[in-house]
Amino acid sequence: GAVVSQHPSWVICKSGTSVKIECRSLDFQATTMFWYRQFPKQSLMLMATSNEGSKATYEQGVEKDKFLINHASLTLSTLTVTSAHPEDSSFYICSAQRLSYEQYFGPGTRLTVT
Amino acid sequence: ILNVEQSPQSLHVQEGDSTNFTCSFPSSNFYALHWYRWETAKSPEALFVMTLNGDEKKKGRISATLNTKEGYSYLYIKGSQPEDSATYLCAFMGGYGGSQGNLIFGKGTKLSVKP
Repeated sequence: GAVVSQHPSWVICKSGTSVKIECRSLDFQATTMFWYRQFPKQSLMLMATSNEGSKATYEQGVEKDKFLINHASLTLSTLTVTSAHPEDSSFYICSAQRLSYEQYFGPGTRLTVT
Repeated sequence: ILNVEQSPQSLHVQEGDSTNFTCSFPSSNFYALHWYRWETAKSPEALFVMTLNGDEKKKGRISATLNTKEGYSYLYIKGSQPEDSATYLCAFMGGYGGSQGNLIFGKGTKLSVKP
């Protein structure tokens, strides 16, 4: 149990376009999901916490108008990178919280902006 | 700024060797310490969640210890196998304040086990 999927696994887009990444908890409901980003040779960094039915909470330095998060159901959260630029190229990974301290991760999405 | 350090950054061992890694984390405002195993192109897999000082957890050949007073955790792998090759991540979870419930990750230790 506790499987989280993420789609797409990789995407290449042109500068200025928007990209949507989906995160689904397949066999449990998650009121809270998290979005992380990892740059090369760096640790996973929390971008935002997504709560079902309410606005996401963004970490300091993360632009909420650029990284739109929607957690419309207990099994789905989406991250939309709007007007993507090459500096947004990164590895994005989500997690879903099952109990108060258990987080289960998706396999991640490699975004390349050209 | 909360900092989680892992050492070594990478490790190359022979099949059958035992190995261990270190995770250092803030000793205040502790709630939990997580260990994950992350193979390339797969989801990070939860290994252990540790909450109590002195905790020891075991899963097959892998075990972990926790010292919250001094802020470190060790992960041990006994008799490493090639399938143990992965990046091992630790993550600190604080107990209150703005970071409550959030995971703060180290950069990981990349283990390669040669047959």
